[in-house]
Amino acid sequence: NAGVTQTPKFQVLKTGQSMTLQCAQDMNHNSMYWYRQDPGMGLRLIYYSASEGTTDKGEVPNGYNVSRLNKREFSLRLESAAPSQTSVYFCASSDAQVSYEQYFGPGTRLTVT
Amino acid sequence: QKEVEQDPGPLSVPEGAIVSLNCTYSNSAFQYFMWYRQYSRKGPELLMYTYSSGNKEDGRFTAQVDKSSKYISLFIRDSQPSDSATYLCGNQGGKLIFGQGTELSVKP
Repeated sequence: NAGVTQTPKFQVLKTGQSMTLQCAQDMNHNSMYWYRQDPGMGLRLIYYSASEGTTDKGEVPNGYNVSRLNKREFSLRLESAAPSQTSVYFCASSDAQVSYEQYFGPGTRLTVT
Repeated sequence: QKEVEQDPGPLSVPEGAIVSLNCTYSNSAFQYFMWYRQYSRKGPELLMYTYSSGNKEDGRFTAQVDKSSKYISLFIRDSQPSDSATYLCGNQGGKLIFGQGTELSVKP
């Protein structure tokens, strides 16, 4: 039982490049989330998916797109990376019918130069 | 103003000290109050949660909620070097909103 996995662990992009961050969970959770974590800002929600087939914007969605590929997988895409998107990105999942606990992945450290 | 405010620290204490971590929140709709612990270069993990005013204990940890003043606290008794981490308060009322996190260092 791997929990929440994220790939890649590290990435360096040049301004304007695109990339997709991958997330998968094996806990059969309905809800999945993407956060970014910056010094002094805590965790901020980018997008979430309450269930397969639905996605909604969070606090800081600009510059990102998401896809809920199936119940297990939720990807985050940066179409044209900017230095302001340098951050640590965390994926999380939860089963709100059981508890509000969110389970987090190990994170992706992204640097945009 | 953020919906959840937390003193970012950093906080450094000697081993065995009592630690008090605090958050304030502005949205009365928040129903569940959580504390997550995040070790360096790891994802956050749920430490404790509560949904009512009052105290909840779990070993050396006590979570306290005062809904009338919109104030939540986490107390750590007999702090250990292994408690060194960033502690994030979170409030759930639909979506989970986090505070900025407090970095705690417990020195042997």
